Amino acid sequence: DQQVKQNSPSLSVQEGRISILNCDYTNSMFDYFLWYKKYPAEGPTFLISISSIKDKNEDGRFTVFLNKSAKHLSLHIVPSQPGDSAVYFCAASALTPLVFGKGTRLSVIA
Amino acid sequence: DTGVSQDPRHKITKRGQNVTFRCDPISEHNRLYWYRQTLGQGPEFLTYFQNEAQLEKSRLLSDRFSAERPKGSFSTLEIQRTEQGDSAMYLCASSLRNSGANVLTFGAGSRLTVL
Repeated sequence: DQQVKQNSPSLSVQEGRISILNCDYTNSMFDYFLWYKKYPAEGPTFLISISSIKDKNEDGRFTVFLNKSAKHLSLHIVPSQPGDSAVYFCAASALTPLVFGKGTRLSVIA
Repeated sequence: DTGVSQDPRHKITKRGQNVTFRCDPISEHNRLYWYRQTLGQGPEFLTYFQNEAQLEKSRLLSDRFSAERPKGSFSTLEIQRTEQGDSAMYLCASSLRNSGANVLTFGAGSRLTVL
């Protein structure tokens, strides 16, 4: 029972364009959603989070949107840079340890 | 503070052997987590501690797995009688639980290869 789903294993975007990474969840009790970025041979690093009582959170080039009725969130990266190439994980919590999706590999092409 | 440290970074062992991984969390963090990640998957929760108390264990944590955090600081994860299916990246993370999002800081991981 996969509670957090990232249905796109990979995404390629040109440098300077917008990257949109999507995530769906099934547990309506999740109260926080987080995005992590992972480079090869490193652990995941925290990027941005959003509370379930909000629908948008922005931090520089990164914006996370939450649609509770659709149980869907997305991460927008504008403008995309080659250094953004990594695997991005969506994660969620409900007074429990974080539950992660399978990740989406983003490739930003110069 | 050097972040979360894990040792060893890579361990190759033969099936049936025991292995132990160590994690040193960020010093002021009271929570410590172990996750496992296999190819093409996201991190999967194994267990976590608040100070020295082990508060939750996943059903993924079979009886061959044991984790300790004896003094509420570093933690060890031991796998007895390793199997090829145990080959994975074992990730440790720590956090300071307070209000808001529980942001975990991960170490670089310990990669286990069981031959």
